[in-house]
Amino acid sequence: ILNVEQSPQSLHVQEGDSTNFTCSFPSSNFYALHWYRWETAKSPEALFVMTLNGDEKKKGRISATLNTKEGYSYLYIKGSQPEDSATYLCAFMGGDYKLSFGAGTTVTVRA
Amino acid sequence: NAGVTQTPKFQVLKTGQSMTLQCAQDMNHEYMSWYRQDPGMGLRLIHYSVGAGITDQGEVPNGYNVSRSTTEDFPLRLLSAAPSQTSVYFCASSYFQGFSEAFFGQGTRLTVV
Repeated sequence: ILNVEQSPQSLHVQEGDSTNFTCSFPSSNFYALHWYRWETAKSPEALFVMTLNGDEKKKGRISATLNTKEGYSYLYIKGSQPEDSATYLCAFMGGDYKLSFGAGTTVTVRA
Repeated sequence: NAGVTQTPKFQVLKTGQSMTLQCAQDMNHEYMSWYRQDPGMGLRLIHYSVGAGITDQGEVPNGYNVSRSTTEDFPLRLLSAAPSQTSVYFCASSYFQGFSEAFFGQGTRLTVV
């Protein structure tokens, strides 16, 4: 069982503030790191797929960085809006092609 | 634009009954997988397939069977339902590369009484 950990488990952010949270994963046998956004009563939707050490991805106000050598990725939300409220999942794929998810960070943006 | 289609959306089973959760995708994806989602535990991989005729176990395979006779379909069978299998089940598909994002079905909420 792979150890994919996300912290914190939940956080509350004031509208307009920026925030970030962490995904840690095994630093060996790395293949890819995924980030998904999961809104209540919907299915997870992909934000980023990252494969190279030092990768940085951006989509609107959301961005992510990747450090495969030390086994962590950060997701950043700049200028949080109420529509950013969701659970953010990271998932690690190693050489066995199993995509293993963390338990998620639930973000609540207060207006 | 169907994407990944799961049926049924809701199901109640009695302990010991069997059933099949259906999953179909129309994107010609090689990789398909089944997850269960329980409170506080995120998505746990049950079984996955990297192509027709090829399946393998994930993190929590006990009590479940899969087969992959076509590229499009990846059914999940509960052999003898137990209350511990009460969960929300998601099917996902992607191209067979870690670089490809996964597309999820809408989920099946299963209750075993």
